[in-house]
Amino acid sequence: EAGVTQSPTHLIKTRGQQATLRCSPISGHTSVYWYQQALGLGLQFLLWYDEGEERNRGNFPPRFSGRQFPNYSSELNVNALELEDSALYLCASSWAGQGYNSPLHFGNGTRLTVT
Amino acid sequence: TQLLEQSPQFLSIQEGENLTVYCNSSSVFSSLQWYRQEPGEGPVLLVTVVTGGEVKKLKRLTFQFGDARKDSSLHITAAQPGDTGLYLCAGAPPGGYQKVTFGTGTKLQVIP
Repeated sequence: EAGVTQSPTHLIKTRGQQATLRCSPISGHTSVYWYQQALGLGLQFLLWYDEGEERNRGNFPPRFSGRQFPNYSSELNVNALELEDSALYLCASSWAGQGYNSPLHFGNGTRLTVT
Repeated sequence: TQLLEQSPQFLSIQEGENLTVYCNSSSVFSSLQWYRQEPGEGPVLLVTVVTGGEVKKLKRLTFQFGDARKDSSLHITAAQPGDTGLYLCAGAPPGGYQKVTFGTGTKLQVIP
């Protein structure tokens, strides 16, 4: 079974530009989550998509947005990049049908560097 | 907003030593999960605890969920270099899994 895949692995952008990050969930998983991990420590929740709809959003400005496609893959867009957006962006998928015990399966992340 | 504080933030120990990592909150969680993240990789689930007071063991790792389901601990016996990594707790709020809150993380280094 293929795991969660994220692309690109690394992304270097200039302040003010836009970044697009992509995620393919595990086959059969309908929920996709996006997290930001700065300074190699805790994860900050960004967005949750399920069945193509945005279900929840973390405390991030509107320039962080995304979508989920009919095949359940997802895209995270960050507009007007700022230096503090530099971080590891992690995507996770789960099967919502398992309820609150459903574990999150993470990809290896996209390292975004804003210069 | 539910916050999960982990302590210590950093821990460097010698191989063979024991250690405990704590995960505390003022909020009640329906379940709590522990993940380990190694450099260059995403977090990997170690265990899920659901019942207050529950204790789960995974080889040399012992996980406990507080009676009030507000806190948890991870105890490692006879730490090995392979235990090195970032340990993260994550709590699911009552009523749904929709917005799991992650702890601040504990970076563990086990020196051979």
